[in-house]
Amino acid sequence: GAVVSQHPSWVICKSGTSVKIECRSLDFQATTMFWYRQFPKQSLMLMATSNEGSKATYEQGVEKDKFLINHASLTLSTLTVTSAHPEDSSFYICSAEPMKGDTEAFFGQGTRLTVV
Amino acid sequence: GDSVTQMEGPVTLSEEAFLTINCTYTATGYPSLFWYVQYPGEGLQLLLKATKADDKGSNKGFEATYRKETTSFHLEKGSVQVSDSAVYFCALIVNTGFQKLVFGTGTRLLVSP
Repeated sequence: GAVVSQHPSWVICKSGTSVKIECRSLDFQATTMFWYRQFPKQSLMLMATSNEGSKATYEQGVEKDKFLINHASLTLSTLTVTSAHPEDSSFYICSAEPMKGDTEAFFGQGTRLTVV
Repeated sequence: GDSVTQMEGPVTLSEEAFLTINCTYTATGYPSLFWYVQYPGEGLQLLLKATKADDKGSNKGFEATYRKETTSFHLEKGSVQVSDSAVYFCALIVNTGFQKLVFGTGTRLLVSP
């Protein structure tokens, strides 16, 4: 099946610094990628929809200036958490939808961010 | 709006017991329905899916039937194993121009030997 690679799998950073998370589709092209956030013992909450070559679409309540999304190519989307604070500590997961419009989305393995 | 409701966990079973995890949904139109599984420390993996009413998705001994009349997609397995311990998410696709997944809150399954 299609493979989505997310990097890093975990990261610890200091308050006030920025962290970049990469999401790559390894064997298919994806015009659309999605970024989710998962709080402990809760479901995945969609943060934003990332579109290749255009601005991301953010869900209500998600700060676009804090969570910067760039989808520079058909195989790569990045999420940058700017000026991170401890409350940003969470599990971030991306998914990618192949260009052929399959109803299945493929997920990365997730990134656990801890802000200290 | 579109939503998915799952039974709260954790569900605790002994090995070889029968498993049911309930899932109901609310959606406009005719969504596709999914079960995803998340093993400890990992991302989500698609377990099974059904794209229209009365379809049955199955994989690794798990199965779920798309019931339009009861708006349900309950997950079942006849005999669980310790290795099935994970969090299970029911989800649906909402076609808003993008294929946007809406997830339930997840149900943790704990299987003991």
